[in-house]
Amino acid sequence: DGGITQSPKYLFRKEGQNVTLSCEQNLNHDAMYWYRQDPGQGLRLIYYSQIVNDFQKGDIAEGYSVSREKKESFPLTVTSAQKNPTAFYLCASSIGFGTGVNEQFFGPGTRLTVL
Amino acid sequence: GEDVEQSLFLSVREGDSSVINCTYTDSSSTYLYWYKQEPGAGLQLLTYIFSNMDMKQDQRLTVLLNKKDKHLSLRIADTQTGDSAIYFCAESLLYNFNKFYFGSGTKLNVKP
Repeated sequence: DGGITQSPKYLFRKEGQNVTLSCEQNLNHDAMYWYRQDPGQGLRLIYYSQIVNDFQKGDIAEGYSVSREKKESFPLTVTSAQKNPTAFYLCASSIGFGTGVNEQFFGPGTRLTVL
Repeated sequence: GEDVEQSLFLSVREGDSSVINCTYTDSSSTYLYWYKQEPGAGLQLLTYIFSNMDMKQDQRLTVLLNKKDKHLSLRIADTQTGDSAIYFCAESLLYNFNKFYFGSGTKLNVKP
């Protein structure tokens, strides 16, 4: 069954700690994305990667870091420098290159709460 | 950067039609998309339209695109309680195929 998974579904951390959110896909997609969702603000792009070993900052990259060492995996680290980390985090993937429809497939999300 | 706007809430009665609207500012969009998000879940693609089209119909869903006014709408016919969710419009641009711009989402509430 092809898809995109995120773990854990709920995550609690103390203020000042770094935390890493997992995202894995077995769709053989080149591109992967991380979004943050806050109530009433829609989705804001944190980082995206178009190919292995390459990634670009999105609109709100400060306080976050990513790596893309494998095609299947795109973990996101929320560092202590992120001022308001409590949010719902969504990972997505897409075929990537091309000029046709670039449907993004989303994972189920991770709700991070910083205490 | 690109700006995609949606109204935040819409309430309809079961069996009525729902129309969710979206406006955008960058005219170099290639595809425009409608996604649905149920509570506590990720987003699922409902439908999309190529920017050269002005209408697309898919069962109960009708997408209208007015490129001159940069206005996109999603009509859901015979709305059911199971359609209650948040609906996002999104666009991808010609000069950055992999970067999507999402609206803030419209929360649709369907009353029985």
